[in-house]
Amino acid sequence: DAKTTQPNSMESNEEEPVHLPCNHSTISGTDYIHWYRQLPSQGPEYVIHGLTSNVNNRMASLAIAEDRKSSTLILHRATLRDAAVYYCILSGGSNYKLTFGKGTLLTVNP
Amino acid sequence: ETGVTQTPRHLVMGMTNKKSLKCEQHLGHNAMYWYKQSAKKPLELMFVYSLEERVENNSVPSRFSPECPNSSHLFLHLHTLQPEDSALYLCASSQAGTTSGDTQYFGPGTRLTVL
Repeated sequence: DAKTTQPNSMESNEEEPVHLPCNHSTISGTDYIHWYRQLPSQGPEYVIHGLTSNVNNRMASLAIAEDRKSSTLILHRATLRDAAVYYCILSGGSNYKLTFGKGTLLTVNP
Repeated sequence: ETGVTQTPRHLVMGMTNKKSLKCEQHLGHNAMYWYKQSAKKPLELMFVYSLEERVENNSVPSRFSPECPNSSHLFLHLHTLQPEDSALYLCASSQAGTTSGDTQYFGPGTRLTVL
């Protein structure tokens, strides 16, 4: 499985934008970039995914570098409810597996 | 009831007990998964069922026995567990076979404590 690298932790203030980085230098042409998050005492929750173009949904935006070796999850206005561990995962094609790493623990300060 | 549900939410059992965890998905998906999340460790994939057939068994000890009677239900039968098996057990489902990789939807988990 292609690996991803994320910072262990990040901190943000409420109502400010948050940019969560992910490096995936060994990404293959068929790998999609998926983001999940896990709030305390809950199961992981799908956030967003993309292949080459930037993606937006109601939860977040995903910015993908032109060479696809890195991506950034953008929370436009962080709230206290966004405090969670965020996972960046590569998956695609016939690969049904999600290999979770340690993710980034996001702390949101009021 | 929507999404993925798991019962019970909390379970305490002795090492000689036999218990079962239940997962039900209401999303019309055709693949289901069991994950284990131990304290301060990443999620570990245990079992995968696609179209009710087991397609993955990640070297899980035989004291964990999965069962998938239909595409909506998944069980994890537990017997003679060890204290190190205490963890959060998560169920997920997806619509397998998409080129973008399956988006998985997780249940809330069962917090298992083995005494």
